[in-house]
Amino acid sequence: EAGVAQSPRYKIIEKRQSVAFWCNPISGHATLYWYQQILGQGPKLLIQFQNNGVVDDSQLPKDRFSAERLKGVDSTLKIQPAKLEDSAVYLCASSLIASGSYEQYFGPGTRLTVT
Amino acid sequence: AQSVTQPDIHITVSEGASLELRCNYSYGATPYLFWYVQSPGQGLQLLLKYFSGDTLVQGIKGFEAEFKRSQSSFNLRKPSVHWSDAAEYFCALAGNQFYFGTGTSLTVIP
Repeated sequence: EAGVAQSPRYKIIEKRQSVAFWCNPISGHATLYWYQQILGQGPKLLIQFQNNGVVDDSQLPKDRFSAERLKGVDSTLKIQPAKLEDSAVYLCASSLIASGSYEQYFGPGTRLTVT
Repeated sequence: AQSVTQPDIHITVSEGASLELRCNYSYGATPYLFWYVQSPGQGLQLLLKYFSGDTLVQGIKGFEAEFKRSQSSFNLRKPSVHWSDAAEYFCALAGNQFYFGTGTSLTVIP
């Protein structure tokens, strides 16, 4: 079974530029999550999708971050414009359904450096 | 409110020694609790999970964890640590949202 795929693995941009990350979840997984992991901290949930609908985006900085999940499969997370404090690893995860009892499978992450 | 606290930022153990990583949680109902491991440059891998029932949970790689409701704890243990266990360990809680602790970095010395 293929795991969660993310690209790119690394990205360096200057502040005020825009950037997009892509995630392909495990086939058949209805729920998709985006996390932000700042160095030295645990992952923080940014947004959760159930199929192509948003379940929770309460911690997503909506003035600069946006995410979509077209057709309930792949997802894209965008930052525009980026700030220095956005430097982090962005993790995508998927699970079979949106329930705390179901394991989340994580991708390798995208390491973003904003200079 | 829900939260997860991992009191130890960094732990160093000798190879072959026993290991215990602490995790305390705050949640108003019965939580779903998890331990994940993250090796450098890798995604998070689930070690074990607790939903209900037996409070001693067995996981992969020889890890186990014990849920103690009275202490709001879910500590991770391993009887004999291997050098390959060096990594970052995260405790997580699934309540209204999925919350991760800040992690414990494990160093294993020969």
